[in-house]
Amino acid sequence: QVQLRESGPGLVKPAQTLSLTCTVSGGSISSGNNYWSWIRQPAGQGLEWIGRIETSGNTNYNPSLQGRVTISLDTSKNQVSLKLSFVTAADTGVYYCARDRKAIFTLIRGMVGTNTYYYYMDVWGTGTTVTVS
Amino acid sequence: QLVLTQSPSASASLGASVKLTCTLSSGHRSYPIAWLQRQPEKGPRLLMKLDSDGSLTRGGGIPDRFSGSSSGTERYLTISSLQSEDEADYYCQTWDSDIHIFGGGTKLTVL
Repeated sequence: QVQLRESGPGLVKPAQTLSLTCTVSGGSISSGNNYWSWIRQPAGQGLEWIGRIETSGNTNYNPSLQGRVTISLDTSKNQVSLKLSFVTAADTGVYYCARDRKAIFTLIRGMVGTNTYYYYMDVWGTGTTVTVS
Repeated sequence: QLVLTQSPSASASLGASVKLTCTLSSGHRSYPIAWLQRQPEKGPRLLMKLDSDGSLTRGGGIPDRFSGSSSGTERYLTISSLQSEDEADYYCQTWDSDIHIFGGGTKLTVL
C-alpha cells in the first residue's frame, strides 16, 4: 500500500526558506486524481493544514500562509516538495505529508440540497521535526 | 467560516468505553468529517470518515471497536473496550471553502 516519508533539514535559520520532501512509495503520485497535502503541528498545539497539490499541478494554500508557501511535484522521483519562506520561530513543529481523497456529500442550505465534493486524508507520513533557530 | 470544536481532554478506564465529540459551527449540520488518531511519536492515521446521517467508512485496518455517530452538528467517536494504545490525541477534520479544517483535538487518557 501507499506509504509516505517526509525528509529535510531539522534546523533552519530565521528568515531562511524551509524545504521538505515527501517521498511516496507503493504507488505513483501521478495516478488518478490524487491530491497531496502538507500539514504541520507546532509543539503543544493542534494540526494546521498548509496546502496541497493535485496531480495536474493545481494548488490550494492555507490563506494564513499564502505568499510564503510553494508546493510542487517531482514525478520522476515520486516526491512532493514543500517550501516555506521567511521562516520564524512560529514555524517550528512537526511537518507531515498526507494523501487527500475525494468524497461526495449532500450540502443542505435551507431546503436545497446540492451534491458537493469534500476531501479527507487517508494516508499520512510519520512526520519530520523542523526547528527554526 | 466553518469551525470544529473539541474538548481538550477526556479520560476513561482500561476496558471501558468513551465517547468523544466534535461540534460543527452553526449552519454546517450537513457536513461530514473524518476522525484521526495521533498516537505518541507517530503520524496521524485515519480512523473513519463520518457523514451527517451517521454512515461511516473506517480507515484500513481500523477495528470495529472504533465507531461513529452523528446528531445535528455533533459528530461522535466512540471507542469501546479501551486499550492502553488508545491513549492518543484525536482530531476531527473536514473541508470547506477550499481548505482543510481541523478541530483542536482531544487528548484521551486511559486510566
